[in-house]
Amino acid sequence: GEDVEQSLFLSVREGDSSVINCTYTDSSSTYLYWYKQEPGAGLQLLTYIFSNMDMKQDQRLTVLLNKKDKHLSLRIADTQTGDSAIYFCAETPSMEYGNKLVFGAGTILRVKS
Amino acid sequence: DVKVTQSSRYLVKRTGEKVFLECVQDMDHENMFWYRQDPGLGLRLIYFSYDVKMKEKGDIPEGYSVSREKKERFSLILESASTNQTSMYLCASSPLAEINTGELFFGEGSRLTVL
Repeated sequence: GEDVEQSLFLSVREGDSSVINCTYTDSSSTYLYWYKQEPGAGLQLLTYIFSNMDMKQDQRLTVLLNKKDKHLSLRIADTQTGDSAIYFCAETPSMEYGNKLVFGAGTILRVKS
Repeated sequence: DVKVTQSSRYLVKRTGEKVFLECVQDMDHENMFWYRQDPGLGLRLIYFSYDVKMKEKGDIPEGYSVSREKKERFSLILESASTNQTSMYLCASSPLAEINTGELFFGEGSRLTVL
């Protein structure tokens, strides 16, 4: 079955770059996503990348996709304390019935001032 | 602004009680989902629904049932709550797959504690 793996914890200093990594198993995934969950809140879509792209940049966020290795990464430039949250990688193995996303366990990002 | 509302943010129930978790979305989305979130396990899909009165099992449906009588409302039911169902429950919705990028819109979550 589908599986998404990511490291559980990352600690960085304010102003540094953060890189959160994810590996997935389903090579047929159409989209891959990064969601952010702030304390006490639900998940919000941060960014996504279509499977025929290698890179996507959106302000401080850079998503890199290596389809050969099934590896997805999220880079946050100039990390701020407000970026402290849990970051979930997700894939959508099938678009047949809605969006049955498969999520990783989440990476807790802690930003030290 | 899109909105998914979960009726209860925090619940404390006793073992064996019947528990209802309600979710309402105001975006006219066809698809609705219930996930549970546990530390180190991420989000796991319990049930989803792609239309009124339609439901499909997710990865961990045991001990749960769902109801979708109206398009905007998707309820998760624990017939007889057990301590291993203590968790954060997240509801989400999305429009039809053909017209969107797969984004799910989440509620704020319902934290259930079963004693």
